[in-house]
Amino acid sequence: AQKVTQAQTEISVVEKEDVTLDCVYETRDTTYYLFWYKQPPSGELVFLIRRNSFDEQNEISGRYSWNFQKSTSSFNFTITASQVVDSAVYFCALSGYTNAGKSTFGDGTTLTVKP
Amino acid sequence: GAGVSQSPSNKVTEKGKDVELRCDPISGHTALYWYRQSLGQGLEFLIYFQGNSAPDKSGLPSDRFSAERTGGSVSTLTIQRTQQEDSAVYLCASSLGPRGVNTEAFFGQGTRLTVV
Repeated sequence: AQKVTQAQTEISVVEKEDVTLDCVYETRDTTYYLFWYKQPPSGELVFLIRRNSFDEQNEISGRYSWNFQKSTSSFNFTITASQVVDSAVYFCALSGYTNAGKSTFGDGTTLTVKP
Repeated sequence: GAGVSQSPSNKVTEKGKDVELRCDPISGHTALYWYRQSLGQGLEFLIYFQGNSAPDKSGLPSDRFSAERTGGSVSTLTIQRTQQEDSAVYLCASSLGPRGVNTEAFFGQGTRLTVV
């Protein structure tokens, strides 16, 4: 069975602070996908990143960066110099490689960035 | 349309009634998924359609739930004899395919179902 744990239920930071959202996963699959999604107050989920299990390179996209460590089954997400518009619920998700449409989601981390 | 479209956006129904939720995926997307999001929780997988293959229904919580996808495009999720615990936001998503770079899923804004 697959499981995704986002231990941080809520995080509150002040604008311009860096913040890291943790994600730990469990799977018996040797190949799999990991995802991060953002759900702003409007409710629509926005895809942020997909990572294959055999690609452990960290990725940076603007103020966003992701740290994938297979050894610790973690896929953490860091926002540098946070902004008020980053306020949202962030979900980490895991899927099998042959059926990426069937994802297991964590319960989400609510990030509030205060001005 | 440009994105995944779901209708209705809100639905209030009486306990015991049947409801139908509709999803129009992005044109050309072969994969379509339904998820359920209860208040303050993550997404719960319900069902997955991929092309002409038999759907993966392993996430449907009971036999009151069913879904179909006509012509490889529009999908309808039906809940029969609704119960209060069915109240949630039902999200539909589509992607170009099931693997590789095609797995980026585009989500609709969801249907908020309230069973009273």
